[in-house]
Amino acid sequence: AQSVTQLDSQVPVFEEAPVELRCNYSSSVSVYLFWYVQYPNQGLQLLLKYLSGSTLVKGINGFEAEFNKSQTSFHLRKPSVHISDTAEYFCAVIGRAGNMLTFGGGTRLMVKP
Amino acid sequence: DVKVTQSSRYLVKRTGEKVFLECVQDMDHENMFWYRQDPGLGLRLIYFSYDVKMKEKGDIPEGYSVSREKKERFSLILESASTNQTSMYLCASSGAGATYNEQFFGPGTRLTVL
Repeated sequence: AQSVTQLDSQVPVFEEAPVELRCNYSSSVSVYLFWYVQYPNQGLQLLLKYLSGSTLVKGINGFEAEFNKSQTSFHLRKPSVHISDTAEYFCAVIGRAGNMLTFGGGTRLMVKP
Repeated sequence: DVKVTQSSRYLVKRTGEKVFLECVQDMDHENMFWYRQDPGLGLRLIYFSYDVKMKEKGDIPEGYSVSREKKERFSLILESASTNQTSMYLCASSGAGATYNEQFFGPGTRLTVL
């Protein structure tokens, strides 16, 4: 079984500032890792995923995430945020032989002008 | 444009009522999922289906059942709604072949049980 911890429930940040949303996971097996975003009044959509290979993964809208196996982390970053990035962000994990995604509790990113 | 639609955006029901939440996808996906979303808890899987008439329990199946009679449609049923089932319900679908395939989500149904 896997578990996912998103360390911050809310992250306020000013427009054009950098941001990091933290995600740690626990698993006894190798995993695939994901970040999903939920804009207000919408369903979730995939930002990026880590399957294998390079530990730095680039996604849509200028986001990137780095997989750190020793620290079991998959933090999401953006060098300069926009008002339109205001949303809830979910980290998720699935075992490589598994069939169910496990989600973290979510981080609400609030970008202020 | 890929699409997952859910029958209602908002639903208000009374305790003890039978509730049906419908989900339809137009991507010919094999896998379909029902999640419950609560603040601070993220998404928790209720049930999923990997083929017509096939289903598997997720993390929190108690109080729920599902039906998949056609490939494009996956229904969540609350046999006797209770107030602790007040929540946001999200449906998703994905293609077969790999567990890392992207899941596509519907907009959600916010259910209130009075």
